[in-house]
Amino acid sequence: NAGVTQTPKFRILKIGQSMTLQCTQDMNHNYMYWYRQDPGMGLKLIYYSVGAGITDKGEVPNGYNVSRSTTEDFPLRLELAAPSQTSVYFCASSYYTGTSSYNEQFFGPGTRLTVL
Amino acid sequence: GNSVTQMEGPVTLSEEAFLTINCTYTATGYPSLFWYVQYPGEGLQLLLKATKADDKGSNKGFEATYRKETTSFHLEKGSVQVSDSAVYFCALSVIYNQGGKLIFGQGTELSVKP
Repeated sequence: NAGVTQTPKFRILKIGQSMTLQCTQDMNHNYMYWYRQDPGMGLKLIYYSVGAGITDKGEVPNGYNVSRSTTEDFPLRLELAAPSQTSVYFCASSYYTGTSSYNEQFFGPGTRLTVL
Repeated sequence: GNSVTQMEGPVTLSEEAFLTINCTYTATGYPSLFWYVQYPGEGLQLLLKATKADDKGSNKGFEATYRKETTSFHLEKGSVQVSDSAVYFCALSVIYNQGGKLIFGQGTELSVKP
């Protein structure tokens, strides 16, 4: 199993450009997540999905959009990129039942994005 | 609210030294607790976990005990190696909170010198 894969690994955008960060998991997990990691900070949740066709906002959703048309894929779309979106983006997935607090998440290698 | 506080880094140790990284939490209900490790240029990997009070998680010589009375989950290792140099994140998850999202501490960078 490849686990969680993300593309691209690095990207530089100009202000106002748009792009899509790709995320795929092959573990048949129901939940998928997008986090961003800023220097010296923990990860913050952008969006999450509980299954194909269902997405919801996390803590910092402004400036981003997501979709989940299949179990495997969970792309993150940046429209009108801004310098504040310079960060490292991690996709994660888990098999979560929602009946307990236990939710072990598996992370991709990350995408390092710079907006100039 | 739910939050995690870790000791600030960077932490610099000599090889074979004893490691402690403090982690305390605030949570509603009964959280599950995790330590994740991030090696340079890589994503996060689960290091160990504990799901209820007094559980001890362990892996690769690292240990952490879920202490409900002190709301703590300190990470320890008896003898660190250069290969342990990484950033360590303490995290928790609680039921019914935005899809069981993980709530992270700010991370503690560990540097081990030969």
